Amino acid sequence: ELKVEQNPLFLSMQEGKNYTIYCNYSTTSDRLYWYRQDPGKSLESLFVLLSNGAVKQEGRLMASLDTKARLSTLHITAAVHDLSATYFCAVDGDRGAQKLVFGQGTRLTINP
Amino acid sequence: EPEVTQTPSHQVTQMGQEVILRCVPISNHLYFYWYRQILGQKVEFLVSFYNNEISEKSEIFDDQFSVERPDGSNFTLKIRSTKLEDSAMYFCASKKGHFNEKLFFGSGTQLSVL
Repeated sequence: ELKVEQNPLFLSMQEGKNYTIYCNYSTTSDRLYWYRQDPGKSLESLFVLLSNGAVKQEGRLMASLDTKARLSTLHITAAVHDLSATYFCAVDGDRGAQKLVFGQGTRLTINP
Repeated sequence: EPEVTQTPSHQVTQMGQEVILRCVPISNHLYFYWYRQILGQKVEFLVSFYNNEISEKSEIFDDQFSVERPDGSNFTLKIRSTKLEDSAMYFCASKKGHFNEKLFFGSGTQLSVL
């Protein structure tokens, strides 16, 4: 059974700082997704990582995938308040079928 | 940008009642999904649907659940006899094609079973 673990689950940081969220998964997969969720809202797709070594960047967020280590990271550079949200990673457990298995989510709070 | 729309945004029902959650996927999308998120927990896959039939379903999606695409635009999730533990946010999602990787989620229906 595919398991997806994120850490940390809660992260409070100051504006301007850098930090990394980790996503580990238990079985072979080369499809990993990062989503953002604001309170009471839907899931917004941030990144789609489809191969080993994939790195994608959008603004202050950068995601990478190491399929051999079964690890993805979401790095936040010089955090700003509007990045406060819950971030989920998800792994496609059935190649291309989008039967996504989500991590528990990391609730990120960025303080001024 | 096109979006997946869900109605209602909130639904309150009594235990044992039937509910139908409605979704309008993006118009040229062919693959449809329901996920749910119990408050404070992770998002869970329920079912995927393609070509008018279920492709995959999870253990959560038991005989009390059904999905339907009654016309060319709507995609519904029915729960026949709701239980307290069905209380959750239900998300509909769609994508264009099998190899198109981006999954678009709707804004969700918050179901409360009393």
